[in-house]
Amino acid sequence: EDKVVQSPLSLVVHEGDTVTLNCSYEVTNFRSLLWYKQEKKAPTFLFMLTSSGIEKKSGRLSSILDKKELFSILNITATQTGDSAIYLCAVEEGADSWGKFQFGAGTQVVVTP
Amino acid sequence: DADVTQTPRNRITKTGKRIMLECSQTKGHDRMYWYRQDPGLGLRLIYYSFDVKDINKGEISDGYSVSRQAQAKFSLSLESAIPNQTALYFCATSDTASGSYGYTFGSGTRLTVV
Repeated sequence: EDKVVQSPLSLVVHEGDTVTLNCSYEVTNFRSLLWYKQEKKAPTFLFMLTSSGIEKKSGRLSSILDKKELFSILNITATQTGDSAIYLCAVEEGADSWGKFQFGAGTQVVVTP
Repeated sequence: DADVTQTPRNRITKTGKRIMLECSQTKGHDRMYWYRQDPGLGLRLIYYSFDVKDINKGEISDGYSVSRQAQAKFSLSLESAIPNQTALYFCATSDTASGSYGYTFGSGTRLTVV
C-alpha cells in the first residue's frame, strides 16, 4: 500500500502562476516530512517539517504541515521556468524506522514562458 | 569534488551480468542508503546501512546485495542483472548527529539492462 501519495502527478503552468502541490501520508509513528526538488539528477533539499501549522518559507516557496489531517502542501508563487522540476515528498517514521524515508511518486511541474 | 560520489554515471549491461555500483562520501556521515527511481514510482529503498557493521534490507532488496566497506563507502551489486532493474540509482547519506535532517544525494547512476 502507498504510504505517501502526491498529487497532482504532473501539471503545466505559465510563468507567474501559483502552484500548490499536495502530499498525504499514512504512517504509524510520524517523525518528519521533507520536500525535495529534483531537476536533472539528484534531489536537493527544500524543507523539513515536523510541527503542524508552522509555515516554512524560502523565497517564493513555502510549505506547511497538518498532522491531524496527515498532509502537507508546497506552494510556489510567481513561478519561473527555473521552477520546472519534479517535487518529491518524503516521510520519516519514528522508532525503528528513524532515518529511513518513504518517498511519494513526485509531482512533475512544467513552467512555460 | 562532490560530497557523495557515485560511479559509474551511466552503464549499459547485458542480462545475466554481475554489476557493481559504487558510492563514496566525504561528509563523514554514518548512514548510507541505496534507492532506485522509476518513472511514476518515486524513490524506493533497496538497502540501507546505519554504520559499518549494520546492513538492512529496504522494500525492494530482492536481486540486490550491498557491501559497506568503510564508513565512507557503500556499494550495490546486481548479482545477475535483469531488464526490470533498468532504473536510475541513487546513493544517499545522512548523519545521526544532526538528527533526521534528510539526505545528501549522489548524482545518480543510470543503469540500462538489455
